[in-house]
Amino acid sequence: GESVGLHLPTLSVQEGDNSIINCAYSNSASDYFIWYKQESGKGPQFIIDIRSNMDKRQGQRVTVLLNKTVKHLSLQIAATQPGDSAVYFCAENMGSGAGSYQLTFGKGTKLSVIP
Amino acid sequence: DTEVTQTPKHLVMGMTNKKSLKCEQHMGHRAMYWYKQKAKKPPELMFVYSYEKLSINESVPSRFSPECPNSSLLNLHLHALQPEDSALYLCASSQDTSYNSPLHFGNGTRLTVT
Repeated sequence: GESVGLHLPTLSVQEGDNSIINCAYSNSASDYFIWYKQESGKGPQFIIDIRSNMDKRQGQRVTVLLNKTVKHLSLQIAATQPGDSAVYFCAENMGSGAGSYQLTFGKGTKLSVIP
Repeated sequence: DTEVTQTPKHLVMGMTNKKSLKCEQHMGHRAMYWYKQKAKKPPELMFVYSYEKLSINESVPSRFSPECPNSSLLNLHLHALQPEDSALYLCASSQDTSYNSPLHFGNGTRLTVT
């Protein structure tokens, strides 16, 4: 079946460097995407979202890029800090039509920041 | 701190026990969700409630029984669970299911079935 996947299961970066976390999705009908951060012992925390009618969205220190041509999503974190260490999940809305919002998560990437 | 509160934080139960997980939100959200997350895996959708009505059941075994008493509360009743049901159970809410909005998650209940 169609699913969201990630290219890199683990990523280690030096503090202060930029991080890029990638995600491939296969459902061309998906219209909404979210990046979540999950720290140990906690639930997923919303970072940033993007709709399919956009290709870029920026937040505080984070940028999400959407390439619908190749079905690719990325999360860029600027000036990575130790507090950014966590597992990052991309998620897509697999539902279609009103009332069928079904958020499906990718496999996750563990980001480790080296002080 | 999360705005979605889940209790208890930890639960250990035997296979013959009956227990309930509770979730509460006061953000005025009208959609609530149960997800199951195994170690080192992504969360998997179990149930979706929209305006207190069950709208999606992802083929979850009947030993898991959801309940939405009102727009702020969501329960998950557990009965005759198996050890493989041990996992982190996450509750989430969103403004609605009719348009895209981010899910807000609680910190989960870590369930161990012995």
